[in-house]
Amino acid sequence: KQEVTQIPAALSVPEGENLVLNCSFTDSAIYNLQWFRQDPGKGLTSLLLIQSSQREQTSGRLNASLDKSSGRSTLYIAASQPGDSATYLCAPNNAGNMLTFGGGTRLMVKP
Amino acid sequence: EAGVVQSPRYKIIEKKQPVAFWCNPISGHNTLYWYLQNLGQGPELLIRYENEEAVDDSQLPKDRFSAERLKGVDSTLKIQPAELGDSAVYLCASSLAGGPGNEQFFGPGTRLTVL
Repeated sequence: KQEVTQIPAALSVPEGENLVLNCSFTDSAIYNLQWFRQDPGKGLTSLLLIQSSQREQTSGRLNASLDKSSGRSTLYIAASQPGDSATYLCAPNNAGNMLTFGGGTRLMVKP
Repeated sequence: EAGVVQSPRYKIIEKKQPVAFWCNPISGHNTLYWYLQNLGQGPELLIRYENEEAVDDSQLPKDRFSAERLKGVDSTLKIQPAELGDSAVYLCASSLAGGPGNEQFFGPGTRLTVL
């Protein structure tokens, strides 16, 4: 059974800092991995999908890397802004289109 | 293009009452998922549909939960009777069919409070 761990569980930083959010998973037989953002009381917004054959994927200030063999992914946020404050969730996708979610990293970016 | 639509957004009921949630996926998405999200945790899969067929319902508590997707488009998730521990957010997601590892898109969720 896939198990996903996200570190840190919470993070508070001043505006402008570059951030790294970590995700580790136990079963490396994945098709891809998705990173999501969740604002309080809202659903999940897909940020990046990185295929198992890829090493990284970029969208604007976001960059996700994947090391499938070691069961790790990182989400890098450049030049953080208060609007980036949210919970970030990673979810590897195993057989059957099954996403397994970590507990998330709650990010607060202070002005 | 419209995203995944869910209703209601909020529901408050007393324990032992029935409740139903509705989801309409993104147009053209044949795969539909229902997830349960407890406070402070990541979502957990309850059931997955490929068109009308429930292909993975191993995590659905079948004694009180049921789901249907009769015409392969929208879907309903029901709880009868509701218990206090069912208070959570119920999320619906959809993806394209035809291969593994398709990107999943989520709706806003229904927040259920059982009193």
